[in-house]
Amino acid sequence: EAGVAQSPRYKIIEKRQSVAFWCNPISGHATLYWYQQILGQGPKLLIQFQNNGVVDDSQLPKDRFSAERLKGVDSTLKIQPAKLEDSAVYLCASSLGGALGYFGPGTRLTVL
Amino acid sequence: TQLLEQSPQFLSIQEGENLTVYCNSSSVFSSLQWYRQEPGEGPVLLVTVVTGGEVKKLKRLTFQFGDARKDSSLHITAAQPGDTGLYLCAGGTSGTYKYIFGTGTRLKVLA
Repeated sequence: EAGVAQSPRYKIIEKRQSVAFWCNPISGHATLYWYQQILGQGPKLLIQFQNNGVVDDSQLPKDRFSAERLKGVDSTLKIQPAKLEDSAVYLCASSLGGALGYFGPGTRLTVL
Repeated sequence: TQLLEQSPQFLSIQEGENLTVYCNSSSVFSSLQWYRQEPGEGPVLLVTVVTGGEVKKLKRLTFQFGDARKDSSLHITAAQPGDTGLYLCAGGTSGTYKYIFGTGTRLKVLA
């Protein structure tokens, strides 16, 4: 079974630029999560999708972050414009509908 | 706001020693998960516990969910260098499948 795929693995941008991350969950997994993990800390939930609908986006900084999950499969997370404090690893995870369990390798973002 | 505090934050021990990591909250969770994360990788699920008082064993790792489902512990017996990593607990809420993560415990096992 293929795991959760994410790309790119690394991204370096200047502040005020925009960036997009892509996630392909495990086939058939209805629930998709985006987490932000700052170095040395636990992941923080940004947004949770159930199929292509948003379940929770209470901690998503909506003035600069946006996410979509078209057709209930792949998802993209965008930051525009990026700030220095957005430097982090962005993790995508998926689940069949119950317990969280499968994470992708993450995208490490560095904002200069 | 639900919070999960882990202790200790850092732990450096010699190979063969035992250790316990704690995960505490004032909130009740329907399930509690433990993950291990290595540098450059996503977290890998170790176990899920769902019943208050539940104990699960995975080789040298023993996981316990508190009776009130507000806390959990991870005990490692005879630690090995391969156990090195960031250990994370995550509390789940039934119905929404929303999971929040703890602050993390970074473990280093020296050979």
